[in-house]
Amino acid sequence: GAGVSQSPSNKVTEKGKDVELRCDPISGHTALYWYRQRLGQGLEFLIYFQGNSAPDKSGLPSDRFSAERTGESVSTLTIQRTQQEDSAVYLCASSLAGIGNQPQHFGDGTRLSIL
Amino acid sequence: AQSVTQLDSQVPVFEEAPVELRCNYSSSVSVYLFWYVQYPNQGLQLLLKYLSGSTLVKGINGFEAEFNKSQTSFHLRKPSVHISDTAEYFCAVKGSSNTGKLIFGQGTTLQVKP
Repeated sequence: GAGVSQSPSNKVTEKGKDVELRCDPISGHTALYWYRQRLGQGLEFLIYFQGNSAPDKSGLPSDRFSAERTGESVSTLTIQRTQQEDSAVYLCASSLAGIGNQPQHFGDGTRLSIL
Repeated sequence: AQSVTQLDSQVPVFEEAPVELRCNYSSSVSVYLFWYVQYPNQGLQLLLKYLSGSTLVKGINGFEAEFNKSQTSFHLRKPSVHISDTAEYFCAVKGSSNTGKLIFGQGTTLQVKP
């Protein structure tokens, strides 16, 4: 498709389990971002990829969170030993380039619920 | 550090009335400014952006915004709203020299009533 694709759209899991969230950016977009949106709040930046490297991972809230990107395409956000406070919508965005004025295009997000 | 403040968490308005959603930002460097709209259970859609040049920018769905550097504001306006404009609106700032991450405001819920 033409847009950013995220899977799964919804994920329900038990506290303590690990989860993987996937993002397929727009083809040709070198920059990829992960954000977290808690209920009724704005978006919090998590991590930024330029190509396959992550020059800014300052928003990752703890060492339970990690992300990788391969082939300058798909990215996976992994949350280990999930906690209830991890419940949120996780949004992925991509843009033609990171630095500069390129707008970011967002996927529909993964709604994560921790029981 | 950059930050964004959206002064109103909810804005109720009647259909066909004008609306203004307020956004103020703080930054020590030149910035790019964006407004995004989020419909229920969807991602964010870009409404408009200010990069440089004319301070009045026009976007999709009849929205426009004015960049005011002296007041560090970027308010969003529409002269006549429709029921379909009911959604969450986010203002965001991006530093011209940072890694490209967007800093978002807390969002404003626009509720258009018939």
